[in-house]
Amino acid sequence: DAKTTQPNSMESNEEEPVHLPCNHSTISGTDYIHWYRQLPSQGPEYVIHGLTSNVNNRMASLAIAEDRKSSTLILHRATLRDAAVYYCILKGYGGSQGNLIFGKGTKLSVKP
Amino acid sequence: DGGITQSPKYLFRKEGQNVTLSCEQNLNHDAMYWYRQDPGQGLRLIYYSQIVNDFQKGDIAEGYSVSREKKESFPLTVTSAQKNPTAFYLCASSRDRGREYGYTFGSGTRLTVV
Repeated sequence: DAKTTQPNSMESNEEEPVHLPCNHSTISGTDYIHWYRQLPSQGPEYVIHGLTSNVNNRMASLAIAEDRKSSTLILHRATLRDAAVYYCILKGYGGSQGNLIFGKGTKLSVKP
Repeated sequence: DGGITQSPKYLFRKEGQNVTLSCEQNLNHDAMYWYRQDPGQGLRLIYYSQIVNDFQKGDIAEGYSVSREKKESFPLTVTSAQKNPTAFYLCASSRDRGREYGYTFGSGTRLTVV
């Protein structure tokens, strides 16, 4: 069972920031929050991950709520190439918890 | 550049035939994974391997088999027992199965039963 909740779809305008929300109210203290994205007919691509603190990389920023029950992936300036399905996934310790379990994600559309 | 290579990109199979999908990585990763994706759906885990000569069933292993004889290779066989094999198959690897490590995915094999 997916342990995260994401909106089915979102729209954005090109060159504007995009905030993709994810709820994970049952997160355990040892779970990492991972984000991947998948372009049509391609394999998923790693975007970013974090544990407690906000994280930044060249692709995006990850803002994690203080209680860790939600997080937000931030694309600072959306481009047409950012149109994809974005998956928010919790990854824990050992056994099946150590695997990435994908839900349906959020389909992001970017309008020119 | 390091990465994961899946072949072939497209594969057609007749009903009742077994078929093997190739997955090779040169990232020196210990862990490897196979996922299946149906249209409009998320990925579902078929099998995973933490180290050479060891693998575990995922959520939908029935009708599939794998081997892990080499660190770089994790082939998936779709057997005739798989009732609905037409799907997009994705292979991935990670440094190990630690919670802090991300996955690298291949570009996928699209299998069609004809």
